[in-house]
Amino acid sequence: DAKTTQPPSMDCAEGRAANLPCNHSTISGNEYVYWYRQIHSQGPQYIIHGLKNNETNEMASLIITEDRKSSTLILPHATLRDTAVYYCIVRPPGPGNMLTFGGGTRLMVKP
Amino acid sequence: GAVVSQHPSWVICKSGTSVKIECRSLDFQATTMFWYRQFPKQSLMLMATSNEGSKATYEQGVEKDKFLINHASLTLSTLTVTSAHPEDSSFYICSVRGQRGSSGEQFFGPGTRLTVL
Repeated sequence: DAKTTQPPSMDCAEGRAANLPCNHSTISGNEYVYWYRQIHSQGPQYIIHGLKNNETNEMASLIITEDRKSSTLILPHATLRDTAVYYCIVRPPGPGNMLTFGGGTRLMVKP
Repeated sequence: GAVVSQHPSWVICKSGTSVKIECRSLDFQATTMFWYRQFPKQSLMLMATSNEGSKATYEQGVEKDKFLINHASLTLSTLTVTSAHPEDSSFYICSVRGQRGSSGEQFFGPGTRLTVL
């Protein structure tokens, strides 16, 4: 799997947008970009994934650059409950390919 | 997404005993299940991958005779930590994946915290 690089930590004010960057410069053409988050002492929670196009769901938006070498997860209105470690992962399709977790970004949402 | 449960949510045991952790996919046929563990302040590390009805594939450095995995059905996988020792104390998390679409989202259980005294 291609590796990803994320800042180890970020702060965000409650109610503001949280923009979490991820570099994946060695991504292959068929690899998807996934975002998960892990709130303390819980299992990871799926947020969103994409291949080339930008994606949006009820939780977040995913912006992937045209060259696919980086992406940004956007939480439009961060709340205190969004405080968690956010993981950006790239993975090829196929049922046998697992998610490999890096260090992630620890997002602290402050009042 | 899929609902995944784990039982127990936490367990404390004495050194040398065996502990079984169950992972159930409640509303999703999990053709593939993964087991991860997470030590304090570290990221998740994959231990093994199992497909229903076949033997698990273990990651390098994970002892298959110590961590027994059974994936007997599309909704149940078990991880048994045999002869547990204090260094096995960790947060164990299972994950399920099906054949839904080509991307195949992976869903995680809530985790089981094992403490070996």
